[in-house]
Amino acid sequence: QVQLVQSGAEVKKPGASVKVSCKASGYTFTCCYMHWVRQAPGQGPEWMGAISPRGGSTNYAQEFQGRVTMTWDTSTTTIYMELSSLKSEDTAVYYCARASGAAGTPNDYWGQGTLVTVSS
Amino acid sequence: EIVLTQSPGTLSLSPGERATLSCRASQSVTGSYLAWYQQKSGQAPRLLIYGASSRATGIPDRFSGSGSGTDFTLTIRRLEPEDFAVYYCQQYGSSPRTFGPGTKVDIK
Repeated sequence: QVQLVQSGAEVKKPGASVKVSCKASGYTFTCCYMHWVRQAPGQGPEWMGAISPRGGSTNYAQEFQGRVTMTWDTSTTTIYMELSSLKSEDTAVYYCARASGAAGTPNDYWGQGTLVTVSS
Repeated sequence: EIVLTQSPGTLSLSPGERATLSCRASQSVTGSYLAWYQQKSGQAPRLLIYGASSRATGIPDRFSGSGSGTDFTLTIRRLEPEDFAVYYCQQYGSSPRTFGPGTKVDIK
């Protein structure tokens, strides 16, 4: 069965960076895009971007351009999302979410979420 | 960017009642690539409906979706106790993917 298992909670200071991992299993790793979605406390989800493990193409939301980097490691079937220059407003739960194809496919499986807290 | 608006913000109903949730887009959603997700407290969103009207794997048939263009609806035919949650619509036809602000379905 498809499983996405994310790394544990993080506490960071403003200006620092955070790197969240998402280990995929139960499907052919290179088949699918992996998206990152965050959700601030009490808010709706917000799409951050996506990466294809086949070839590494990325598509980042404009709001995060220059601050977010998505990478992958085929040997460990793990996707990473790194967010830099953290601000208090980046405090949120960060989810990885698979999409079975390229554009035009929904996010059918989600990780359990990783809470990132940014506080001085 | 396509902005999604959901109404109502909160829907207070009793088990067994019918729930009708609305999602309106600021411009036409490409290919009717509109999804509905259910989210319970402390959990990740769960895909219910994709392509505006197709149920995801394992989703009971009391959940149905309809609509096209800019107006979409999620209907829960008879609410079960486990259906009380927050529901989000998402368009995934255009980049960036966007979500609505959610409709909370709570127990009356």
